[in-house]
Amino acid sequence: DAGVIQSPRHEVTEMGQEVTLRCKPISGHDYLFWYRQTMMRGLELLIYFNNNVPIDDSGMPEDRFSAKMPNASFSTLKIQPSEPRDSAVYFCASSKAGTRETQYFGPGTRLLVL
Amino acid sequence: DAKTTQPPSMDCAEGRAANLPCNHSTISGNEYVYWYRQIHSQGPQYIIHGLKNNETNEMASLIITEDRKSSTLILPHATLRDTAVYYCIVRDPTGANNLFFGTGTRLTVIP
Repeated sequence: DAGVIQSPRHEVTEMGQEVTLRCKPISGHDYLFWYRQTMMRGLELLIYFNNNVPIDDSGMPEDRFSAKMPNASFSTLKIQPSEPRDSAVYFCASSKAGTRETQYFGPGTRLLVL
Repeated sequence: DAKTTQPPSMDCAEGRAANLPCNHSTISGNEYVYWYRQIHSQGPQYIIHGLKNNETNEMASLIITEDRKSSTLILPHATLRDTAVYYCIVRDPTGANNLFFGTGTRLTVIP
């Protein structure tokens, strides 16, 4: 298996622009997680899905952030409009039901908002 | 979830065992101890987990004290590629799904 795939790996954009991050979880995994990592706040859970349904989005910082999972093999995290404080590394992770704490992480998307 | 305490940094000589401690004095009966690590510029990687018995896999060993208030992750023969931040996480897998990574221990393996 190729593992969790994220794209793009790097994104540089200007403040106010829309940013879309993409994730393909490991095939057969039921849970998908979006995390954000910064030096100041460390690794934070933003939202997670179970069987494509959002379960907990309490970590989503504000309405500018939205996440979707239209099918079992694809999820997006959108920031609109983006701000410099959104600059961070965004990780996607997936896991199987029953072993959901064993999460497998993607390589991350490094976002820089100028 | 129980809070964990880890030393912020440790050094280990290449080829020697790296012993990373974690305190979780408020752990409850249903909570497991999980270890992840994050190598620079990569996503976190699962290492091992346990409830009360010691565990071993191809990556590491996990020693949990009898009272379960602390544990130690052991890398038996550390290599330079083991340099990473190691996170000890205590979670009830039947509860709400929120892995709290904390600040971890930055392990530096020295040649």
